[in-house]
Amino acid sequence: QKEVEQDPGPLSVPEGAIVSLNCTYSNSAFQYFMWYRQYSRKGPELLMYTYSSGNKEDGRFTAQVDKSSKYISLFIRDSQPSDSATYLCATNTGGFKTIFGAGTRLFVKA
Amino acid sequence: NAGVTQTPKFRVLKTGQSMTLLCAQDMNHEYMYWYRQDPGMGLRLIHYSVGEGTTAKGEVPDGYNVSRLKKQNFLLGLESAAPSQTSVYFCASTSGQVDSPLHFGNGTRLTVT
Repeated sequence: QKEVEQDPGPLSVPEGAIVSLNCTYSNSAFQYFMWYRQYSRKGPELLMYTYSSGNKEDGRFTAQVDKSSKYISLFIRDSQPSDSATYLCATNTGGFKTIFGAGTRLFVKA
Repeated sequence: NAGVTQTPKFRVLKTGQSMTLLCAQDMNHEYMYWYRQDPGMGLRLIHYSVGEGTTAKGEVPDGYNVSRLKKQNFLLGLESAAPSQTSVYFCASTSGQVDSPLHFGNGTRLTVT
């Protein structure tokens, strides 16, 4: 079993839709949770960072962590064609080794 | 400020050939990493370094070697390339602070025929 599971998609939505991206993880020691966004032929860039359980909002993006169910979510409101990318969830224990999910490819159609 | 720079951007090798991928960062980061990215597999850690002169194995180290002779550079070597090493290779660095993100280069696309 992978330590972080993520559906690779692809996920296709119309412009303006609410997007929900999800991951599950197996190690209860994970404390830090991240979402990276990767555009085609580019390296991943940090989008959201959350410590422990709870929600964090940044503009149209909301990251949610439920440690009781080991579930990580990213919500995108009013999705735009420019949001089309691969979204990778990631986690670590606070050390220097980050573990990534497989990434979900998102297409937002104009 | 260039961030993390990877060279080359593309390379085609024949089975058995060798090559070195270079990663350079200008952020004075202590920690540097090499990942490979394959469809459906996500980013898998090959080797990493926690400081100049140190290296350690990651999740998929077989067939690769690394060196960190200077703090700003992290080299990934393939001694005898195999088709299974066809992948996109990403270098990343971080300061090591708890909330410090990984900074990635834009990748090297390697094809082994």
